[in-house]
Amino acid sequence: DTAVSQTPKYLVTQMGNDKSIKCEQNLGHDTMYWYKQDSKKFLKIMFSYNNKELIINETVPNRFSPKSPDKAHLNLHINSLELGDSAVYFCASSVRGAYEQYFGPGTRLTVT
Amino acid sequence: AQSVTQLGSHVSVSEGALVLLRCNYSSSVPPYLFWYVQYPNQGLQLLLKYTSAATLVKGINGFEAEFKKSETSFHLTKPSAHMSDAAEYFCAVTAVGNFNKFYFGSGTKLNVKP
Repeated sequence: DTAVSQTPKYLVTQMGNDKSIKCEQNLGHDTMYWYKQDSKKFLKIMFSYNNKELIINETVPNRFSPKSPDKAHLNLHINSLELGDSAVYFCASSVRGAYEQYFGPGTRLTVT
Repeated sequence: AQSVTQLGSHVSVSEGALVLLRCNYSSSVPPYLFWYVQYPNQGLQLLLKYTSAATLVKGINGFEAEFKKSETSFHLTKPSAHMSDAAEYFCAVTAVGNFNKFYFGSGTKLNVKP
């Protein structure tokens, strides 16, 4: 039983392409997040949705657009990929107010 | 504003030795603090959390951490290291009313020598 799942696990693509990463959680949580982990392992929040409403939107280029079709899913679409977008992207979920987040296995994005 | 500083990007201990991973936080409001562990090619797993109850918090796999407000610290310890503890450890801070926005430290890679 996978609690937070992400697809794909690996994504290799060329500069300028558009790609999406999908995230699903079966924990019944109402809040979901996207994090970016760079090559130095630094983990930074990008977005958060609570019941399909955007509640955290950090300073992220407009090329990144999250979409939450329902509270169990949060997808990340990236337009015009750049070399600097190469990183591991983690999805997480929580119950709002519970303060502990459950992470997915990550998607390693490589832009060439 | 909140932030976390983890001293030592790499820590190496012998199997059976004490593990001490350091975390200092900065927060203008009462913090909630967390330790997460990341095994190679995996997501982060919650080890333990401090949310303003007992200052000494016990977590999984024999780890514990103590919240010390006077020192703004939340160091992670384990009395006896096991080979399976080798991983990357992240300290994180958030606060009430912060929309669950976590600020993570830069991580400490723990190496356990046989």
